[in-house]
Amino acid sequence: GENVEQHPSTLSVQEGDSAVIKCTYSDSASNYFPWYKQELGKGPQLIIDIRSNVGEKKDQRIAVTLNKTAKHFSLHITETQPEDSAVYFCAAKGPTGGFKTIFGAGTRLFVKA
Amino acid sequence: EAGVVQSPRYKIIEKKQPVAFWCNPISGHNTLYWYLQNLGQGPELLIRYENEEAVDDSQLPKDRFSAERLKGVDSTLKIQPAELGDSAVYLCASSFGTSGGGREQFFGPGTRLTVL
Repeated sequence: GENVEQHPSTLSVQEGDSAVIKCTYSDSASNYFPWYKQELGKGPQLIIDIRSNVGEKKDQRIAVTLNKTAKHFSLHITETQPEDSAVYFCAAKGPTGGFKTIFGAGTRLFVKA
Repeated sequence: EAGVVQSPRYKIIEKKQPVAFWCNPISGHNTLYWYLQNLGQGPELLIRYENEEAVDDSQLPKDRFSAERLKGVDSTLKIQPAELGDSAVYLCASSFGTSGGGREQFFGPGTRLTVL
């Protein structure tokens, strides 16, 4: 089945700097890649997603890139703010395994003011 | 619009006791998911419903876990008997349309279970 690996597990940046989180997936049939943000005591919330027919997508300070050949995708946050501090999860989904969403282990992002 | 509602938010029980979690999805969402989230890990699917039908329960430990979604709306997840290793956060999520459509999943706040 699908396996998603996420790095780093912890990331600390200074306010205003950029943060990059990287994920790899194993199933070449996966075609949907969402990113979720989870704050303490809350459920994950979708922040951006990308489908396999697109290489890059941007939404204000957040962007995601996808390299299907290498089977990896990345989340880029620019001009980080303290409220960006949270745990971020990447995920992959596709027809193999019945469209089950497989999550990475998460990256805890700290943005220092 | 109300989000996914889960109750209780916290539950502490002794091992071998039964426990039940309740989820009310977003109105109109026909797909409902139950996930298990261990500390420091991503959510792992336990069961997925499309309307009343459980279409993926391959990860549900059926010897002690059960779930139901009567009338295709609310859902209940039950553990009987609970074991120490069941301590985790149980997340409910819902989405519109079938799972193959890559639709956004909306998560509830979760129920944090502690088994002593």
